[in-house]
Amino acid sequence: QQQVKQSPQSLIVQKGGISIINCAYENTAFDYFPWYQQFPGKGPALLIAIRPDVSEKKEGRFTISFNKSAKQFSLHIMDSQPGDSATYFCAASVGETSGSRLTFGEGTQLTVNP
Amino acid sequence: DAGVIQSPRHEVTEMGQEVTLRCKPISGHNSLFWYRQTMMRGLELLIYFNNNVPIDDSGMPEDRFSAKMPNASFSTLKIQPSEPRDSAVYFCASSRLASYNEQFFGPGTRLTVL
Repeated sequence: QQQVKQSPQSLIVQKGGISIINCAYENTAFDYFPWYQQFPGKGPALLIAIRPDVSEKKEGRFTISFNKSAKQFSLHIMDSQPGDSATYFCAASVGETSGSRLTFGEGTQLTVNP
Repeated sequence: DAGVIQSPRHEVTEMGQEVTLRCKPISGHNSLFWYRQTMMRGLELLIYFNNNVPIDDSGMPEDRFSAKMPNASFSTLKIQPSEPRDSAVYFCASSRLASYNEQFFGPGTRLTVL
């Protein structure tokens, strides 16, 4: 019930391409969906987040698409760059009752080739 | 702001020894989270505190693990006795206790148990 499933486990994209990472959840009480980015040797850091009252949120080259009926959300990285190479985690929380506690997906290791 | 501070950054110990990991959250943050990251299991929440009180320790693997938060600016995660399967990167994160708030992660402690 509390799990967030993430795919793919790893992704290789050419520079300039689009990177797409998908997540699915079961708990319909989840109402906050952030994505975290982690570079090697560093802790994860918030990249972008969405609430289910909108179907899409865009910040620069990063876009979250949210499908409430399918209980799925995805991260799209447009014009992918080698500097985007990192591990990406989707997450979810029941913000109103759990505060900032997050349930994380398994992570996707993205490699952007020059 | 110095961010979340963790020490030590690296720890190598022998099986059976006691290990203590330390965390200083960001000043003003009143939620603190301990995570473990491995290749096999990804990012796992071990325990979290709100206002220095442990709220959920269901992620703590077994009785060998214990965590304390004696005040708002310090927390420890102790493993006694340590085992090789405890080898992982341990992250501490903090946030303000409120809905939908960002978690700020520390740089992590890489633990190796021989």
